[in-house]
Amino acid sequence: GQNIDQPTEMTATEGAIVQINCTYQTSGFNGLFWYQQHAGEAPTFLSYNVLDGLEEKGRFSSFLSRSKGYSYLLLKELQMKDSASYLCAVRGLWSGNTGKLIFGQGTTLQVKP
Amino acid sequence: DAGVTQSPTHLIKTRGQQVTLRCSPISGHKSVSWYQQVLGQGPQFIFQYYEKEERGRGNFPDRFSARQFPNYSSELNVNALLLGDSALYLCASSSLAGQETQYFGPGTRLLVL
Repeated sequence: GQNIDQPTEMTATEGAIVQINCTYQTSGFNGLFWYQQHAGEAPTFLSYNVLDGLEEKGRFSSFLSRSKGYSYLLLKELQMKDSASYLCAVRGLWSGNTGKLIFGQGTTLQVKP
Repeated sequence: DAGVTQSPTHLIKTRGQQVTLRCSPISGHKSVSWYQQVLGQGPQFIFQYYEKEERGRGNFPDRFSARQFPNYSSELNVNALLLGDSALYLCASSSLAGQETQYFGPGTRLLVL
């Protein structure tokens, strides 16, 4: 089966750096996504990794290690508006020719002044 | 450019009733996926449609059905509503069915009493 784990909650201080981890166990792998979701709103696409290594986009970076079944999302220079839920989602070989994503439960990040 | 749109934004139904949710994808996108998100959890895949054909189905009962129209908009129907169907229903669009990033709409919040 497929299993995706991420911490339920994290707290960090404005201006700091925070790393949100995601581990996955799947029967195959075909890409990992990170989405940001503010309370009551739709998930917003942040990043996509399919090969090992680091992808950087401004204050956000995402890392993938396929051999370890591990990814992290790194948020730098935290701002109050970064308080949200961060969802890790995996697309696997089970998806066939579809875009079916399996999501983790999400990590709620609270940024404090 | 308009993003993914969904209607209605909120809906209250009673057990046993039927509901139809609507989604319009981003202009130029031909694939629509539906997800159910229960409070405190990540989204769960329900269906994907591409070029009016079902490309994938998640682990949901036959009470859930969907279709896609020639203009690529989509409807999700749920019959014989149960209390457990209360959730945020998200529509995501992508340009093709497989490898592309999915972009989510604002969702329809369904409450079943």
